[in-house]
Amino acid sequence: DAGVIQSPRHEVTEMGQEVTLRCKPISGHDYLFWYRQTMMRGLELLIYFNNNVPIDDSGMPEDRFSAKMPNASFSTLKIQPSEPRDSAVYFCASRPFSAGEQFFGPGTRLTVL
Amino acid sequence: QQPVQSPQAVILREGEDAVINCSSSKALYSVHWYRQKHGEAPVFLMILLKGGEQKGHDKISASFNEKKQQSSLYLTASQLSYSGTYFCGTERENDYKLSFGAGTTVTVRA
Repeated sequence: DAGVIQSPRHEVTEMGQEVTLRCKPISGHDYLFWYRQTMMRGLELLIYFNNNVPIDDSGMPEDRFSAKMPNASFSTLKIQPSEPRDSAVYFCASRPFSAGEQFFGPGTRLTVL
Repeated sequence: QQPVQSPQAVILREGEDAVINCSSSKALYSVHWYRQKHGEAPVFLMILLKGGEQKGHDKISASFNEKKQQSSLYLTASQLSYSGTYFCGTERENDYKLSFGAGTTVTVRA
């Protein structure tokens, strides 16, 4: 298996622009997680899905952030409008129902100028 | 609530041992340990379920004290490849999300 796939790997954009991050989980995994990592705040959970349904979005910072999972093999995290404080590495992770291990994607490094 | 990790950083020489601690104020179902190298994604090391189970992976092992809601990661006879930032992630019963600690940066020198 190719593992969790994220795109793009790097994104540089200007403040006010819309940013869409993409994730393809490992096939057969029931859970998908979106994390944000910064030096100041560490690794924080934004939202997670179970069988494509959002279960907990309490970590989503504000209404500018939205996430969708239209099917079992694809999820997006959208920031609109983006701000410089959104600059971070965004990770997607997935796990199967039967085991606790989460498999992380390579991450998307977002820079908002 | 985020678990508390200690120490924040540790420097070792090859062959030395280290212990990283993780504690939570909440009742836990499991504790996960991950290692992250600079510029890379976190990589799973091991999971410990409530019950005080101890696990090992090569010369890296961990324990979970359910009564104290504490877990410890043991690096034994450290190797250069052990360098990185170690995170504990805690999971509560019937709650499939992880709360990660701030991380412990381990540097192993020759």
